[in-house]
Amino acid sequence: AQTVTQSQPEMSVQEAETVTLSCTYDTSESDYYLFWYKQPPSRQMILVIRQEAYKQQNATENRFSVNFQKAAKSFSLKISDSQLGDAAMYFCAYRRGWGGSEKLVFGKGTKLTVNP
Amino acid sequence: NAGVTQTPKFQVLKTGQSMTLQCAQDMNHNSMYWYRQDPGMGLRLIYYSASEGTTDKGEVPNGYNVSRLNKREFSLRLESAAPSQTSVYFCASSSGVVSGANVLTFGAGSRLTVL
Repeated sequence: AQTVTQSQPEMSVQEAETVTLSCTYDTSESDYYLFWYKQPPSRQMILVIRQEAYKQQNATENRFSVNFQKAAKSFSLKISDSQLGDAAMYFCAYRRGWGGSEKLVFGKGTKLTVNP
Repeated sequence: NAGVTQTPKFQVLKTGQSMTLQCAQDMNHNSMYWYRQDPGMGLRLIYYSASEGTTDKGEVPNGYNVSRLNKREFSLRLESAAPSQTSVYFCASSSGVVSGANVLTFGAGSRLTVL
């Protein structure tokens, strides 16, 4: 079974600075997708960024980017120019790349605090 | 566009009581999911339905039953609630098409407390 590990239960960053959240995963499959979800205090799960395993290029979405290291099974999230609104729980998630169901396996999350 | 709607948003039960969490999506998605979220545990899959008429167990199915009522609706039932089922429950849906990184769309969550 696939597992996702987030080794940092909590992180903090100063407003306008950069922070990196770590995620590692374990799988024997070669085709899969990886995601970062954000959960603010409202509890809503919001997709931040996604990465296809077959793509070598790291995904970017505005201030959010990933460092995808397939051989090391590592998928870290970098948040640049941190804003107060970035404060939230962040979850890394894995989905296999085939099959009729797209169920996600989640890590335990990292709580990000942004200090003004 | 409502997306995924869960009801109720909050519920308090006594041990042994039963209840059903309702979920409906209006995106014509094929697949639907129920997750639970506990502090320090992330989200864990309870049950899912890859398509109308099918349901499968996830990681933590014990104590729960599900019904895929139609393409839009997927309910989660607790027959005899236990304090260990105190959690926040999320329903989600996805297109179910096997192509591309189709993402899950989540409901707002339902906080359940079992006394």
